[in-house]
Amino acid sequence: AAGVIQSPRHLIKEKRETATLKCYPIPRHDTVYWYQQGPGQDPQFLISFYEKMQSDKGSIPDRFSAQQFSDYHSELNMSSLELGDSALYFCASSSPGQLAKNIQYFGAGTRLSVL
Amino acid sequence: QKEVEQDPGPLSVPEGAIVSLNCTYSNSAFQYFMWYRQYSRKGPELLMYTYSSGNKEDGRFTAQVDKSSKYISLFIRDSQPSDSATYLCAMSAPPGGGNKLTFGTGTQLKVEL
Repeated sequence: AAGVIQSPRHLIKEKRETATLKCYPIPRHDTVYWYQQGPGQDPQFLISFYEKMQSDKGSIPDRFSAQQFSDYHSELNMSSLELGDSALYFCASSSPGQLAKNIQYFGAGTRLSVL
Repeated sequence: QKEVEQDPGPLSVPEGAIVSLNCTYSNSAFQYFMWYRQYSRKGPELLMYTYSSGNKEDGRFTAQVDKSSKYISLFIRDSQPSDSATYLCAMSAPPGGGNKLTFGTGTQLKVEL
């Protein structure tokens, strides 16, 4: 079965640079979530989109922005990168439905290293 | 204090043992409860999900939710070395809390031969 696809898998950037992470949800899933996981930490919710509109916002820095496109894929844009942004970034998706919305399937993640 | 507390371990057990993993939470609005398994440098893999209190069984895995005590558990029977991973509990609180997941810190499990 198709899973959530994230690209790139690894990304190395320098401080103050910009990074773009991409997420392709499972087919027919309409909601996308972004999480950040620091070393040895649990994933922290950043932002989510439902039907191309932002649906919820967590602890996402103002330097970060995201959007969901007409084909439901999503991009997380990160500017003015800081050393502390180094982490695993996960995208998750869920399908329509009251119960199904809470069942999120995760991609393999993008490992961002800021030097 | 975190909304979801989970013993980080590490927990080491012999092959074939029954493993019990637990989480406690403070937000009474949580209604959906999930367990994820995460191998090193991989994405969380959904193992079990439950809604409200009760038990749910799937193969060697049993998830238990006690909302009155704000306590959830995952039991793994006949544990295998391939079960060695970090286990994360996660919860959500719709509709007012959105569908974002709040995770525990994860319990690192090692099943030894």
